[in-house]
Amino acid sequence: EAGVTQSPTHLIKTRGQQVTLRCSPISGHTSVYWYQQALGLGLQFLLWYDEGEERNRGNFPPRFSGRQFPNYSSELNVNALELEDSALYLCASSLAGGPSTQYFGPGTRLLVL
Amino acid sequence: KQEVTQIPAALSVPEGENLVLNCSFTDSAIYNLQWFRQDPGKGLTSLLLIQSSQREQTSGRLNASLDKSSGRSTLYIAASQPGDSATYLCAVRHISGGSYIPTFGRGTSLIVHP
Repeated sequence: EAGVTQSPTHLIKTRGQQVTLRCSPISGHTSVYWYQQALGLGLQFLLWYDEGEERNRGNFPPRFSGRQFPNYSSELNVNALELEDSALYLCASSLAGGPSTQYFGPGTRLLVL
Repeated sequence: KQEVTQIPAALSVPEGENLVLNCSFTDSAIYNLQWFRQDPGKGLTSLLLIQSSQREQTSGRLNASLDKSSGRSTLYIAASQPGDSATYLCAVRHISGGSYIPTFGRGTSLIVHP
């Protein structure tokens, strides 16, 4: 069974640009979570989608947004990129929301110059 | 607000040693605690999950304990091997508006040298 997949694996952008990251959950999983792992800051929760709706949001500005499609895949959009957005962006999926175990993808490494 | 602290931040040991990694959290009203392994630039792999009603979990050479009242968990690695080299993260889940969003520690970076 395929795990959580993310694309692209690496990305280089310049300040002010916009970026879209993609995540495909494990088959049968309806919840998708997005996390940011910046150097020295640990994993920070960004967004949680379940059944196509945003269920919770971390302490990030509105230029971080996303959506979940009917097939439960998800996109994370970041507008007006700033240097401090450089990080590893991790996606996780779970069978349902709440306390279900989360399974993580390999991440997308974003570098903002 | 839940805060999770992991000590030590980094550890370098010779192969064969038994290790203890520590995780502490400020809010003891947790749902569960999970230990993950992360290889450089990669995603997270779940190692052990301890529910709030449990005291410990074991998997192979790994043993994780939980003392909810004192806000602490330890990950014990027996007979360490070079392949154990990675960053180990603990994550605490607590009920916040029904979302169970985990709070992660910053991790312990482990190097096991031959």
